[in-house]
Amino acid sequence: ETGVTQSPTHLIKTRGQQVTLRCSSQSGHNTVSWYQQALGQGPQFIFQYYREEENGRGNFPPRFSGLQFPNYSSELNVNALELDDSALYLCASRKGGDNEQFFGPGTRLTVL
Amino acid sequence: AQSVTQLDSHVSVSEGTPVLLRCNYSSSYSPSLFWYVQHPNKGLQLLLKYTSAATLVKGINGFEAEFKKSETSFHLTKPSAHMSDAAEYFCVVRKAAGNKLTFGGGTRVLVKP
Repeated sequence: ETGVTQSPTHLIKTRGQQVTLRCSSQSGHNTVSWYQQALGQGPQFIFQYYREEENGRGNFPPRFSGLQFPNYSSELNVNALELDDSALYLCASRKGGDNEQFFGPGTRLTVL
Repeated sequence: AQSVTQLDSHVSVSEGTPVLLRCNYSSSYSPSLFWYVQHPNKGLQLLLKYTSAATLVKGINGFEAEFKKSETSFHLTKPSAHMSDAAEYFCVVRKAAGNKLTFGGGTRVLVKP
């Protein structure tokens, strides 16, 4: 186990709804990244937070947004859900700099 | 921009035989390269990483990879497969420290008894 936890483990939503996914980073880690892994594909970088500020973003629309809290836990919010948002969402935390990223088990989101 | 191509989407081996997972990368910089493993319902785990030191990198669970700049490759090998090696493997490139990870499409490994 990596010490990174995510909730919920599974989630089912309908098109147009909004969803919030949560990530609790490993103790001492101040940087959190979120990835989307569609079925049968590799994870794709959504964005990264460092000390509560977004400091990197992939090719995802603004309806994907996030937060990082003072305890370095994080949320991923997705508005106006689309069918293609169905995926495994992974959170990874690290101490910053060149340190290893530790991944959580993911949240499986299904959009109907 | 950097990219990663994993040349095999599926690899099937018999227990006790060698495993070879092929990866080619594209990067205009001297990249950092990684291999991650993903078991069902578990998070991604780092197997090994290359960060411009020795070109032959040893990782956990008997895996190793060789960085070949002339071939832009970073193939993963293991001399003897174990049933517990059945999983999805990802080759990953990173442009600079602290930067995002770019994943390949993955190779699913099946180990036959």
